[in-house]
Amino acid sequence: DQQVKQNSPSLSVQEGRISILNCDYTNSMFDYFLWYKKYPAEGPTFLISISSIKDKNEDGRFTVFLNKSAKHLSLHIVPSQPGDSAVYFCAASDSGNTPLVFGKGTRLSVIA
Amino acid sequence: DAGVIQSPRHEVTEMGQEVTLRCKPISGHNSLFWYRQTMMRGLELLIYFNNNVPIDDSGMPEDRFSAKMPNASFSTLKIQPSEPRDSAVYFCASSLTKRYGYTFGSGTRLTVV
Repeated sequence: DQQVKQNSPSLSVQEGRISILNCDYTNSMFDYFLWYKKYPAEGPTFLISISSIKDKNEDGRFTVFLNKSAKHLSLHIVPSQPGDSAVYFCAASDSGNTPLVFGKGTRLSVIA
Repeated sequence: DAGVIQSPRHEVTEMGQEVTLRCKPISGHNSLFWYRQTMMRGLELLIYFNNNVPIDDSGMPEDRFSAKMPNASFSTLKIQPSEPRDSAVYFCASSLTKRYGYTFGSGTRLTVV
């Protein structure tokens, strides 16, 4: 049973436009969410996070939105750049000692 | 710090052979995780350690898989005997606290022929 779902395996966006990556979760105990970015032949790297006490967190071109009632979060990239082409993983955490739970990832392609 | 170091980067082996993957976590991190990435399952947690002690190995697919962490600076994931369906990228990650996320190594791409 997948607790963290990224229903879009891939997304293609033109350079300069907005990229929106979505993530849904089922466990109401999750209170902290992270996005990781992964380039080919590299490990995932931390991108941005958000606590459940917030509904938005912004870092440069990257903004994460959290809708707790819908158990949904999204990552916005504005403007998208070719270097943003990568696989993006959503991850969720509860306050206990259990490990992060990752989604399957969404492959973003930014076309010049 | 050099980050999480995994070796080898690539491994090609024949079915039935033993495979050992290695990981050196970031110094000071007290948790270590082994993940497997496949197209079907994404990032799948295999096992994790806290303070060198295995906490949960329920993600290990079969008894053919085993993992050890003899000290705070080294861990191994062993597959014996290996099978073609074990072909995947295996990642090791370490963390001090999960609120700061995990630091992943570059992975080992395993191909079993």
